Amino acid sequence: DSGVTQTPKHLITATGQRVTLRCSPRSGDLSVYWYQQSLDQGLQFLIQYYNGEERAKGNILERFSAQQFPDLHSELNLSSLELGDSALYFCASSVGAGLHDTGELFFGEGSRLTVL
Amino acid sequence: LAKTTQPISMDSYEGQEVNITCSHNNIATNDYITWYQQFPSQGPRFIIQGYKTKVTNEVASLFIPADRKSSTLSLPRVSLSDTAVYYCLVGDRFLSSGNTPLVFGKGTRLSVIA
Repeated sequence: DSGVTQTPKHLITATGQRVTLRCSPRSGDLSVYWYQQSLDQGLQFLIQYYNGEERAKGNILERFSAQQFPDLHSELNLSSLELGDSALYFCASSVGAGLHDTGELFFGEGSRLTVL
Repeated sequence: LAKTTQPISMDSYEGQEVNITCSHNNIATNDYITWYQQFPSQGPRFIIQGYKTKVTNEVASLFIPADRKSSTLSLPRVSLSDTAVYYCLVGDRFLSSGNTPLVFGKGTRLSVIA
């Protein structure tokens, strides 16, 4: 158990819909990262938040948005869903703002999104 | 960010030592090398991190030559449960705002055979 909690574990929805994925980081971790992993693809970095502020942005679509709340949990909002958005979405956390501050990202078990 | 190249897949028999090499020719002075392991439908898990020479922990060893343009993850006496994807990542220790955090490539798919 990494200490990172993601909900829901599984989600099935239709094209055009909107979903929200939630992540609670490890206790004490200030950074939250979101990654997308499609079938047979590597982990694609989406976005990072540090202590409530956006820290870095990757290949995140305009239809996607995220935020980190004062209690440090984070939500990833996916809207106008398309079939290609079906993927595993991972949240990870770390203590500092830099990935190598502690050398370790702690990943949750992921949220599997299926768009029909 | 330094780009990494690693084999797409490797096969090994149980009990053997497995060495997975990662090339990172344009590694920068401040870059560290980190390896993660991912089982199907699970999030990646940190294995080991190093800057130079050799690092060893209870799970693996990481060998980094003097020029740091490559690194080798060594898994001693693998078992069936070591079947997973292994990612090599290279990145700055202190990321400043606007820099993209480490990118996980497609990794190396290790299959351990009985």
